[in-house]
Amino acid sequence: GEDVEQSLFLSVREGDSSVINCTYTDSSSTYLYWYKQEPGAGLQLLTYIFSNMDMKQDQRLTVLLNKKDKHLSLRIADTQTGDSAIYFCAESISNFGNEKLTFGTGTRLTIIP
Amino acid sequence: KAGVTQTPRYLIKTRGQQVTLSCSPISGHRSVSWYQQTPGQGLQFLFEYFSETQRNKGNFPGRFSGRQFSNSRSEMNVSTLELGDSALYLCASSLQGAPSRTDTQYFGPGTRLTVL
Repeated sequence: GEDVEQSLFLSVREGDSSVINCTYTDSSSTYLYWYKQEPGAGLQLLTYIFSNMDMKQDQRLTVLLNKKDKHLSLRIADTQTGDSAIYFCAESISNFGNEKLTFGTGTRLTIIP
Repeated sequence: KAGVTQTPRYLIKTRGQQVTLSCSPISGHRSVSWYQQTPGQGLQFLFEYFSETQRNKGNFPGRFSGRQFSNSRSEMNVSTLELGDSALYLCASSLQGAPSRTDTQYFGPGTRLTVL
């Protein structure tokens, strides 16, 4: 079955690193994504990782994937006030050539000055 | 390249009415997916269209329908609106709709529907 879980809230001091965690249940996931949603806006694709990779780094963002534990994390280095948003992880499952994205509940990241 | 656009951005309807939302994908993208986002249920997948055909469908009642035109623009229709249909409706476009390193979904800003 498909179930993606995240913590609802995370507070981090400005300048520190933020780590947002996500667990998923479907081992047939092909891609895992991180999206950012700012207030009143749609989703912005931040980064993604293919399921056979362990790590992907993109500037301040580091994605770690533990496929054995079905655990995905997003690390944001040097967190800034502009990083305040809701972060969604999503797994992509291909079913007979069709793709469906299942999203987590989202983690609201609050930056403490 | 222009992003995904959705119209209208805000909509207020009453129970029992119907509504049509529009989504224009990124130029060259052939797949359009629709999602409903509510505080209680989070983000849920409605359906996906590719080359004017519905290719994938989530668990929503038949009141929710959609279509895609030859230029890949898509519309979503909700009939007999209920209070619980109040939500942010997001559409996303991608090249093929199949997972690949470059073929990821890009989201529009959403249409916020309020049902009174």
